[in-house]
Amino acid sequence: QVVVTQSPSASASPGASVKLTCTLSSGYNTFAIAWHQQQPGKAPRYLMTVNSDGSHNKGDGIPDRFSGSSSGTERYLTISSLQSDDEADYYCQTWSTGIEVFGGGTKLTVL
Amino acid sequence: QVHLVESGGNLVKPGGSLRLSCAASGFNFREYYMSWVRQTPGKGLEWVAYISSRGVSVYYADSVRGRFTISRDNSMNSLYLQLNSPRVEDTAVYYCARGRVEAAGSSPGPCDCWGQGTLVTVSS
Repeated sequence: QVVVTQSPSASASPGASVKLTCTLSSGYNTFAIAWHQQQPGKAPRYLMTVNSDGSHNKGDGIPDRFSGSSSGTERYLTISSLQSDDEADYYCQTWSTGIEVFGGGTKLTVL
Repeated sequence: QVHLVESGGNLVKPGGSLRLSCAASGFNFREYYMSWVRQTPGKGLEWVAYISSRGVSVYYADSVRGRFTISRDNSMNSLYLQLNSPRVEDTAVYYCARGRVEAAGSSPGPCDCWGQGTLVTVSS
């Protein structure tokens, strides 16, 4: 069964860029993932799907500052030109027949 | 515009029962996988269950299998989660989420739309 791992925390300054990582367990390098953002006190919001070839499909209204990429079993979310309201928890999700799996989330602090 | 609204969250005693509902609008509900995902206060997201577009296939997380039942009524554009014999550790905000069109594949796909959640508290 696939395991999804995320670093618990990350930080960056306003205006900078940050790259968050989602790691799939060994052997699952063909799996796509989704990134979700959860701002404090709010429901999650879908950001994008990142495929194993690095292509990504963003949700409606997601700014160009958000992009996705991939390498092996790692899937990335890059946020450029960081703003204060990017401070949130970011979750990675993957799926297969019979199961969905979420990573533990990364808390992004915009200092 | 796609819209999901959960309801039914409440205080329930351990061993009791509760039914959550999710009203969907703005898309062709009967074509999509649908999921329930929960979040314990201060913790991460945990997948609970998903159901295929016509309700033929249902799958559960190990933590709820045998106690919770996911179902849907496509004529009412509604998704349900029946919680039987809930435990204290089932206390969480429960979110309804849309998956992908079932015609696109045999797996549920990403949760591309979320409801606002409904709080279930299990306590004596």
